[in-house]
Amino acid sequence: KNQVEQSPQSLIILEGKNCTLQCNYTVSPFSNLRWYKQDTGRGPVSLTIMTFSENTKSNGRYTATLDADTKQSSLHITASQLSDSASYICVVSPMDSNYQLIWGAGTKLIIKP
Amino acid sequence: GAVVSQHPSWVICKSGTSVKIECRSLDFQATTMFWYRQFPKQSLMLMATSNEGSKATYEQGVEKDKFLINHASLTLSTLTVTSAHPEDSSFYICSAKTTGYGTDTQYFGPGTRLTVL
Repeated sequence: KNQVEQSPQSLIILEGKNCTLQCNYTVSPFSNLRWYKQDTGRGPVSLTIMTFSENTKSNGRYTATLDADTKQSSLHITASQLSDSASYICVVSPMDSNYQLIWGAGTKLIIKP
Repeated sequence: GAVVSQHPSWVICKSGTSVKIECRSLDFQATTMFWYRQFPKQSLMLMATSNEGSKATYEQGVEKDKFLINHASLTLSTLTVTSAHPEDSSFYICSAKTTGYGTDTQYFGPGTRLTVL
């Protein structure tokens, strides 16, 4: 069964600190893995998209890594800001689907001043 | 970049009434649009896939007679929640897919918060 699991469920850190969010998946084969940021009451916004052959992708202070052998991905946020408070969702796209997305439950990140 | 809008952004209605939510791709044509539902503290759940000019494909467990989807043009899809009940209260999000193969071309709308009293 295709699954995406994220950890931790929630995380609280102080402004300016770094953090790393984890994503484990069982989707195989897959075409790409993406990380979304979803602010409360808003639609998800894409942060990074990595194909199965990529190991890392950066978008400003966000850096995603992918290990296809262990089926793990991480999202590292550096120098966190208050505006980083949001849910971060890992999403995997199966290889044989034109549109299907397997969604993780997300990690709720809270940045405190 | 591609922009998807939804209207309204929030709606409150009485139980038994119908509510229509619009999803528009503002600067691109979308042959396929998707409707998701998200309950508090849960991830998005795909409800249905709509292709322009044809009937929508519903996910298992989603009542097609309750959630009417119309995709009349390449830039507009509508979701009508018929005879809404409090358990239909949720956050509804649409996404639009540009032409061409690949799931990396899906763009999400800002969502619509539905509250049924």
